[in-house]
Amino acid sequence: AQKITQTQPGMFVQEKEAVTLDCTYDTSDPSYGLFWYKQPSSGEMIFLIYQGSYDQQNATEGRYSLNFQKARKSANLVISASQLGDSAMYFCAMSPGSYNTDKLIFGTGTRLQVFP
Amino acid sequence: NAGVTQTPKFQVLKTGQSMTLQCAQDMNHNSMYWYRQDPGMGLRLIYYSASEGTTDKGEVPNGYNVSRLNKREFSLRLESAAPSQTSVYFCASRRDRGQYEQYFGPGTRLTVT
Repeated sequence: AQKITQTQPGMFVQEKEAVTLDCTYDTSDPSYGLFWYKQPSSGEMIFLIYQGSYDQQNATEGRYSLNFQKARKSANLVISASQLGDSAMYFCAMSPGSYNTDKLIFGTGTRLQVFP
Repeated sequence: NAGVTQTPKFQVLKTGQSMTLQCAQDMNHNSMYWYRQDPGMGLRLIYYSASEGTTDKGEVPNGYNVSRLNKREFSLRLESAAPSQTSVYFCASRRDRGQYEQYFGPGTRLTVT
């Protein structure tokens, strides 16, 4: 069975600093997708970034990058130059296929707080 | 373009009552999903629909039914609500064909007393 683990319940970072949110996954399938979503206090889920298991390069989207280490089964999210608006819950998720991304499995989340 | 909309935003039910949560998307997406989010947990998939006329169970389907009414709408029904179904319910959609991410609605906060 597939599983996502986020071991950091909460993280603090100073504005303008970079922060890494940890995510490890477990699967025996060679094809899978990895996602990060942001959930602000308003409650909506916002897609941030996607990495397919066959992608050779780490995914990047603006200030977000996904540090994909296949051998270690980790998919950490790096946020560069943190902003106060980055304060939110962050969820790592996994799909059983890298193209068919229907059945997302989510981790328990990490609460990030950015302070001035 | 409203994206994914959900109604109602809040609902309180008594144990045993039934209700339907409505979801609609205006992005012409093929796939739609229902998730629940409990405190301290990530989202868990209840049901999904890969196309109009098809539905499949997710991780936690017990106690729920769904209907994919047309391409735009996907409803979730609780036939006999239980306190264990107190949760925040999210609907999501995805275009398919090279689009990996799911777009989420604002959620419905349901309390069953």
